[in-house]
Amino acid sequence: SAVISQKPSRDICQRGTSLTIQCQVDSQVTMMFWYRQQPGQSLTLIATANQGSEATYESGFVIDKFPISRPNLTFSTLTVSNMSPEDSSIYLCSVATNEKLFFGSGTQLSVL
Amino acid sequence: AQRVTQPEKLLSVFKGAPVELKCNYSYSGSPELFWYVQYSRQRLQLLLRHISRESIKGFTADLNKGETSFHLKKPFAQEEDSAMYYCALPAKIDQAGTALIFGKGTTLSVSS
Repeated sequence: SAVISQKPSRDICQRGTSLTIQCQVDSQVTMMFWYRQQPGQSLTLIATANQGSEATYESGFVIDKFPISRPNLTFSTLTVSNMSPEDSSIYLCSVATNEKLFFGSGTQLSVL
Repeated sequence: AQRVTQPEKLLSVFKGAPVELKCNYSYSGSPELFWYVQYSRQRLQLLLRHISRESIKGFTADLNKGETSFHLKKPFAQEEDSAMYYCALPAKIDQAGTALIFGKGTTLSVSS
């Protein structure tokens, strides 16, 4: 299994600002994923972050809005840029190991 | 395209009653399916995967390719089973360690 530390656990932000979410894994993993879970909705994949290459974004998500860094095999960040109230959501970091997905505890973001 | 459908948003049962959480899928390849569970104030965690054919906390799920279903079952529900349950399958066909696509989830409420 993998132990994932994600922070911050929650934040309240002002419209137009940016927030960077950090994800730290206790072991080296090739693939890391960022998901969004809007209120009352399921998990939606934002992007796949592989070390040494640019992140791959899913339809509806763009790098300018959600820039991702993956400097090494145990760490990644997701930035939510120029936030609006529609970005209020839970953001989840996930890693694949032994063909299973493990999740961080999530970042609950509220944008005023 | 790959898709997961969980038709029930909420399932309420009494303690000791049988439980069946429905999941139907659309997948072009040979599917590997998962059930994830999220208990109150806990992170999302893997409950079971069809390839391992194991029973976790009394839950089982059988892949029915003819009906394209992967329903989650438990013969006698317990109050501690109350949680949100998500059915999921790989985002990319026949690719191990890929991100997962999740259904909308079913809230299971078990009362005494």
